[in-house]
Amino acid sequence: GAGVSQSPRYKVAKRGQDVALRCDPISGHVSLFWYQQALGQGPEFLTYFQNEAQLDKSGLPSDRFFAERPEGSVSTLKIQRTQQEDSAVYLCASSLQVFDQPQHFGDGTRLSIL
Amino acid sequence: SQQGEEDPQALSIQEGENATMNCSYKTSINNLQWYRQNSGRGLVHLILIRSNEREKHSGRLRVTLDTSKKSSSLLITASRAADTASYFCATDPFNFGNEKLTFGTGTRLTIIP
Repeated sequence: GAGVSQSPRYKVAKRGQDVALRCDPISGHVSLFWYQQALGQGPEFLTYFQNEAQLDKSGLPSDRFFAERPEGSVSTLKIQRTQQEDSAVYLCASSLQVFDQPQHFGDGTRLSIL
Repeated sequence: SQQGEEDPQALSIQEGENATMNCSYKTSINNLQWYRQNSGRGLVHLILIRSNEREKHSGRLRVTLDTSKKSSSLLITASRAADTASYFCATDPFNFGNEKLTFGTGTRLTIIP
C-alpha cells in the first residue's frame, strides 16, 4: 500500500511569510508525529496526534508553530511569520497505536527561509 | 534535545566488511529502534529491540541492547554499496501512551566499492 506522503517536497519562503506543510499518513494509522531535522542532525520531536487529538505538543519551538489533524487522517503543520532558524526538513511519521510498533516516515518537506 | 549519541559519527569501510555502530542513551526505555536514512529521503525502520531483549537479528543486521549500560550496537555484516546511508538509533520512552521517539545524532556510513 501507499506510504506516508508529504507535500510539498521543497518550500522556499521569505522571512515573515506563513507556510503550511501537509502530511498524508498510511491509511488506518492512528498515531501521527511531526519531527524537525536540522542539517546533519537526528530528527527532533515536535508534536504527536492520536486520531484527531493532539496529545503532546511539547516539542513545538514557539507559538508560531501550529499543527492540526481535524478528521484524524491528514495533518497540517503551519508556521506563521517564518524566521531563518525555521529552515529545516520537516518529517511526518505514522504508526499503528499498538505497543512497540515502528514509525513509518515520509520523505519530508525541505523548508528554506530566505 | 537529542537523547542519545551514536559512535562513530562517520565510518568508511570497504564493501564486504562488517560495520559496527554504537548508541548510548540516557533514560529508561520501552524499546530501542534503528533507522536508516538515505540522502534526501525519510527514515526507514530497520529493527526494534525491546527492553527485555538482549540481541536481535534481521537478515544481515544484528542489534544488541545493554540496559544496564544504556547502550546498543548495530552490526551490518557483509556490507554492500547500497548500505551507504546515515543510521540513527531512537528510543521509545518508558511512558505508555506517548510513543514519541527520541533520536540520536546518527552515524554516517560510507561503503567503498
